[in-house]
Amino acid sequence: GENVEQHPSTLSVQEGDSAVIKCTYSDSASNYFPWYKQELGKRPQLIIDIRSNVGEKKDQRIAVTLNKTAKHFSLHITETQPEDSAVYFCAARAYNFNKFYFGSGTKLNVKP
Amino acid sequence: DVKVTQSSRYLVKRTGEKVFLECVQDMDHENMFWYRQDPGLGLRLIYFSYDVKMKEKGDIPEGYSVSREKKERFSLILESASTNQTSMYLCASSPPGTGGAEAEKLFFGSGTQLSVL
Repeated sequence: GENVEQHPSTLSVQEGDSAVIKCTYSDSASNYFPWYKQELGKRPQLIIDIRSNVGEKKDQRIAVTLNKTAKHFSLHITETQPEDSAVYFCAARAYNFNKFYFGSGTKLNVKP
Repeated sequence: DVKVTQSSRYLVKRTGEKVFLECVQDMDHENMFWYRQDPGLGLRLIYFSYDVKMKEKGDIPEGYSVSREKKERFSLILESASTNQTSMYLCASSPPGTGGAEAEKLFFGSGTQLSVL
């Protein structure tokens, strides 16, 4: 099965700085890569996703990049704000399969 | 807006008790999932179901069973709760993975924090 590894486990940045979270996956059949944000005491919410036919996707201050050859994908948050503080999870899924495989999570702390 | 509802936010049970965690979704999704969330381990799949009465084991099914008698409801059962099952349990649902912008999105419930004493 798929194995998704996520780094770092914790990340502390100053407000306004950028944050980068990296994930690797093992199964070349995976072709959908979502990122979830979980605020304290709340459910994980999808913030951005990317499919394997795309190398980069942006949504305001958030971007995701995908390197299929290296089986890497990353989440980039620019101009971080205190409300970005949360746990972020990456995931991978193969087309037509039902299972999502999650990374171990990154706790992001944005210091005001 | 998709709504995935878990019946209990917090639950405290004794070792050996039979525990039922209930999850209901209102979007007619075929797929439903039970995940367990532990610090440093991320979300680990316990069981999932792709149709009524259909189920498949996830990565950590030991000590758990599931029931899906109706499309909207997916129950997780701990036959004899143990202390190592103390955890946050997350239910999720998604449409079938057959393509399209919405087909791959996973929608989560708010979670049930289970403590087994």
